Amino acid sequence: QSALTQPASVSGSPGQSITISCTGTSSDVGTYKRVSWYQQHPATAPELIIYEDTKRPSGVSSRFSGSKSGTTASLTISGLQPEDEADYYCCSFATTNTLFGGGTKVTVL
Amino acid sequence: QVQLQESGPGLVKPSETPSLTCTVSGGSISGYYWSWIRQPLGKGLEWIASISYGGDTNYNPSLRSRVSISLDSSKNQFSLKLRSVTAADTAVFYCAREIRRGSGNYASFFYYNYLDVWGQGTTVIVSS
Repeated sequence: QSALTQPASVSGSPGQSITISCTGTSSDVGTYKRVSWYQQHPATAPELIIYEDTKRPSGVSSRFSGSKSGTTASLTISGLQPEDEADYYCCSFATTNTLFGGGTKVTVL
Repeated sequence: QVQLQESGPGLVKPSETPSLTCTVSGGSISGYYWSWIRQPLGKGLEWIASISYGGDTNYNPSLRSRVSISLDSSKNQFSLKLRSVTAADTAVFYCAREIRRGSGNYASFFYYNYLDVWGQGTTVIVSS
C-alpha cells in the first residue's frame, strides 16, 4: 500500500486556525478505520496527539482536533501558537500494515 | 508511566545484520502490540514491523524479506534484526507501544491501531 497523502507544508499566523488533510483509500482511511495523528518537534520522538479519528490523549491541548469524512482525515490546530511549529503525521492501519502519511511541516509565521 | 528505551549498534558496515532492542519499563509487555518505526534523516516515518505479546507478527511488505521482530517477555524487551543493510537503511529507529482494537459489525469488521508511547530513538548509520 502507498503512504497516506498529506500536504508538504501548511503555515499560519499566531492565533489563526489551520487544517492538515490526510487522504487515503477505503482500505486504510475508510469506514470503521481509525486515524491517528502525531506531532514531532526537531530531534525528538513523535508524540500521539489524536487517536481514533477525534480523541485526544490526556495532556494534549484542546486546540488540537481531528475529524474524518470519507477517505480524508483532518487535523485542525486552533489558536496557532509558536510551539505548534513541528512536523505532523497521520497514520492508519490497512489489513495488517501500519501506514504513515508523508508528513506536514507546520510553520508559524 | 510506561517508558521505552532503544539500544543499538550505532555504526554498522554494509551487508551486516544489526540488532536493535527496546526495553519496556514501568509496565508489562503483555497485552499489547509492540512496533518498530524508522525515520531517515530529514525524511518521514516508516513503519517496519509489529509483534504482539502472543507472538503475532506483521511486517512492512517492502522490508519483509530483510527484517525479523521478536519478543522476550522475561526481559520485558522486544527486538528487531535488519539483514543485509545498505546506506539506505541509515535512520533513527524508534520503538513504540501499539494499541490495536477492532471496529465494525458482523458484515464489516476492521482492526485499527495507534502508537501511544514512543522511545526516544536510536540512530543506526550504515557506512564502510
